[in-house]
Amino acid sequence: AQSVTQLDSHVSVSEGTPVLLRCNYSSSYSPSLFWYVQHPNKGLQLLLKYTSAATLVKGINGFEAEFKKSETSFHLTKPSAHMSDAAEYFCVVRWFSGGYNKLIFGAGTRLAVHP
Amino acid sequence: DVKVTQSSRYLVKRTGEKVFLECVQDMDHENMFWYRQDPGLGLRLIYFSYDVKMKEKGDIPEGYSVSREKKERFSLILESASTNQTSMYLCASSSSNYGYTFGSGTRLTVV
Repeated sequence: AQSVTQLDSHVSVSEGTPVLLRCNYSSSYSPSLFWYVQHPNKGLQLLLKYTSAATLVKGINGFEAEFKKSETSFHLTKPSAHMSDAAEYFCVVRWFSGGYNKLIFGAGTRLAVHP
Repeated sequence: DVKVTQSSRYLVKRTGEKVFLECVQDMDHENMFWYRQDPGLGLRLIYFSYDVKMKEKGDIPEGYSVSREKKERFSLILESASTNQTSMYLCASSSSNYGYTFGSGTRLTVV
């Protein structure tokens, strides 16, 4: 079965400092992995996705994530946080079964950015 | 601009009422999904559908049912609403090449 674990429920950084949001996955085969962001009172937006091509994936708004099979990790990073990055972030694995697929979400990490 | 539209942004219902949450997509997607979002739990899948009149249980189907009579519309039904069903409900659709689009959500309060 597939699952994801987001290791931090809350992360707080200062504006201009690096962001690291940690995610570990469990999958019985090569997974498809995603990061989604949800700003307050807004819908979910896809940040980036990994689908077995390059292990370093670049997304929108300066975010990137690195797929590390040996560590079963897919951590999200950004070199310099901006106030507008404050939001909730979800690590997601795509699960295949019986000819169809569904997304399995982690519990989320709430990112706070301080001036 | 493609979209998934959920009919209500906020909804307040009484315990025991039958509640319908509607979702419509304009992308001709085969697959549609209903999730509920609760703090600290992320999004959990309630039901999904991969074709008209087809439905599959997700991880937490108890207390819910769904209807998909047309390809573009996927309804979530709470047969008898209870306070533990107070939550944010998110609808999504996807095509076979797995691009997902989410609606803005319906915040349901059961009193």
